[in-house]
Amino acid sequence: DAGITQSPRHKVTETGTPVTLRCHQTENHRYMYWYRQDPGHGLRLIHYSYGVKDTDKGEVSDGYSVSRSKTEDFLLTLESATSSQTSVYFCAIKNSGTADTQYFGPGTRLTVL
Amino acid sequence: GNSVTQMEGPVTLSEEAFLTINCTYTATGYPSLFWYVQYPGEGLQLLLKATKADDKGSNKGFEATYRKETTSFHLEKGSVQVSDSAVYFCALAGANNLFFGTGTRLTVIP
Repeated sequence: DAGITQSPRHKVTETGTPVTLRCHQTENHRYMYWYRQDPGHGLRLIHYSYGVKDTDKGEVSDGYSVSRSKTEDFLLTLESATSSQTSVYFCAIKNSGTADTQYFGPGTRLTVL
Repeated sequence: GNSVTQMEGPVTLSEEAFLTINCTYTATGYPSLFWYVQYPGEGLQLLLKATKADDKGSNKGFEATYRKETTSFHLEKGSVQVSDSAVYFCALAGANNLFFGTGTRLTVIP
């Protein structure tokens, strides 16, 4: 298994509160990704990183920010959580090639009340 | 642009039945194609992949062939087991990320 952990694994929070999810890898892979998984949508990309301090937006980036200050950690922040952000969040990592496989973490289930 | 269209589920089969899950794609060029599997309560695991036209990916009895002519990457298995019950995702590699289908839930009954 790829060395990817996500924390927390489950979180319940209230609308309007800030939330930070953490992804940690031990593989020294260059690329890291945050996806959300919702019924009927598969997985959709929120943000990704192609190196320390290098990030870019994905398909559904509104309401989310990210930071990567070290190779091994990629943080996803919901500045002010909304009920529409209730979802399962997956982190993934990839080495450098386009054809390379993305490896996924175990996921974080976030509920915003 | 890039997109993946995947067979709607859910699919319910008896043990030892033949499985096909259809996947077609739209893309510029010839991207790598993937099948991922998600078991209950877990993250996605790579099942198989193909990186160029006519390549066949295979793993654990599952197969899929990269068909450029029909822009398809259908997943097949000759004899499913109860342990194959999961959600299956077809995906296409874009320049910076993966584009996923909506997933197909497979349930195999004894």
